[in-house]
Amino acid sequence: KNEVEQSPQNLTAQEGEFITINCSYSVGISALHWLQQHPGGGIVSLFMLSSGKKKHGRLIATINIQEKHSSLHITASHPRDSAVYICAVRPNFGNEKLTFGTGTRLTIIP
Amino acid sequence: DAGVTQSPTHLIKTRGQHVTLRCSPISGHKSVSWYQQVLGQGPQFIFQYYEKEERGRGNFPDRFSARQFPNYSSELNVNALLLGDSALYLCASSLGAGGYEQYFGPGTRLTVT
Repeated sequence: KNEVEQSPQNLTAQEGEFITINCSYSVGISALHWLQQHPGGGIVSLFMLSSGKKKHGRLIATINIQEKHSSLHITASHPRDSAVYICAVRPNFGNEKLTFGTGTRLTIIP
Repeated sequence: DAGVTQSPTHLIKTRGQHVTLRCSPISGHKSVSWYQQVLGQGPQFIFQYYEKEERGRGNFPDRFSARQFPNYSSELNVNALLLGDSALYLCASSLGAGGYEQYFGPGTRLTVT
C-alpha cells in the first residue's frame, strides 16, 4: 500500500463546478504539501499545511491530522485550473524528503 | 528574484553513458533536493543536500550521486544510464533542512535511448 493515496485519479468537470481532491496518508507527518503540475512538468507549490485550513484565492486546503486526511477544494473552477494536483507529505523527522501521491488529473471543460 | 533554475531543460543520452544535471537554488536557500518523476507517476525522492552535506538519500542505486557546491548550487550525476532512467528530474530548494517549504524548478527531461 502506498504511503500517500489520492482520489480520484482523474476528474473531469464543467467550468464553474466546485472541485474536491482527496489525499490520505498512513505515516506520521510534520507537514503536507499540495502541488500543481502543468503539462511540460513544472511544479508549483500551492499550500504547505500542518493543521487546519488555508485559503488562497479560489483554492482551499484542509487537513485532519487525527484522520490522516487532507482535501484540496477549487471553487468556481476554470479551464486554466486543468492540471495534475499532487499531494506530498513530509515525515516526522528532520529532513525535506517528501513522499508523493500519484496525482489527480483535473480537466475543466468550458 | 529568480526562482529555482535547472539545466539543461531536455537531454537525450544512450544507454551506458553518463549524465550531469544542474540546479541553482533560490538566492538564500541552503538546501537542495532532487526527485525523479517517471511518466505517469508521482516524483520519487533521490537526495537532499544541506550546507554541502548529504542529509537524505532515497532508494536509488549507487549509479546516482550528487553534490552541493559552496554557492549552494547542486549537480546530480547518473552513471551507466539505463532505459529506465528516462524521466523528469526535479530539483527543489528550501531555506533549511527541515520544516521549510520547497520551491521546485522546471525540471530536466532525460531520455535514454
